[in-house]
Amino acid sequence: EPEVTQTPSHQVTQMGQEVILRCVPISNHLYFYWYRQILGQKVEFLVSFYNNEISEKSEIFDDQFSVERPDGSNFTLKIRSTKLEDSAMYFCASSVVVGGNTGELFFGEGSRLTVL
Amino acid sequence: AQSVSQHNHHVILSEAASLELGCNYSYGGTVNLFWYVQYPGQHLQLLLKYFSGDPLVKGIKGFEAEFIKSKFSFNLRKPSVQWSDTAEYFCAVLQAGTALIFGKGTTLSVSS
Repeated sequence: EPEVTQTPSHQVTQMGQEVILRCVPISNHLYFYWYRQILGQKVEFLVSFYNNEISEKSEIFDDQFSVERPDGSNFTLKIRSTKLEDSAMYFCASSVVVGGNTGELFFGEGSRLTVL
Repeated sequence: AQSVSQHNHHVILSEAASLELGCNYSYGGTVNLFWYVQYPGQHLQLLLKYFSGDPLVKGIKGFEAEFIKSKFSFNLRKPSVQWSDTAEYFCAVLQAGTALIFGKGTTLSVSS
């Protein structure tokens, strides 16, 4: 069964460092998403991406964050200068069409980011 | 803005007990509703979804949920839980043209 894969599974970084989280969405999916889950809190939407541009972003997704689809398979989330409060589990997801039609997002296993 | 409330933060049950997890949402228009499950150490998986039609939807592993429009609710139920149902359960709501919004989640612990 096709699945969304994420790397790394866990990254520890120093405050102020840049971090890139990588995702390989399911191959025929067109919409890509990043969500995050701070320990003990709910899963929060960060950004959605379609046709090589951001289609929607939350207020969490400030100038420190950026997303990119550098080639035909990868979808990356970059945090330019990490802060302690960026420590969270980051989930990538993909869907065939924007949620309004199928609504089913397929999630990766997550990348745990720890900022020291 | 759309919000999703899950009233139970942590539910502890014995095997074979019945389960009902509450979920309410705030938007009064057309929505699509979901329950996702996250087993320990695993990724989010879709349990069931409602788009239209029969308000009682059945999902995997014996779970079902009922959409009650007048109450803005989409409660998850299972008549008899198993130890393997121990997981975090997330209700999520999709309003047309917006991103999927999750509730805070409910941790279910089932003792054998």
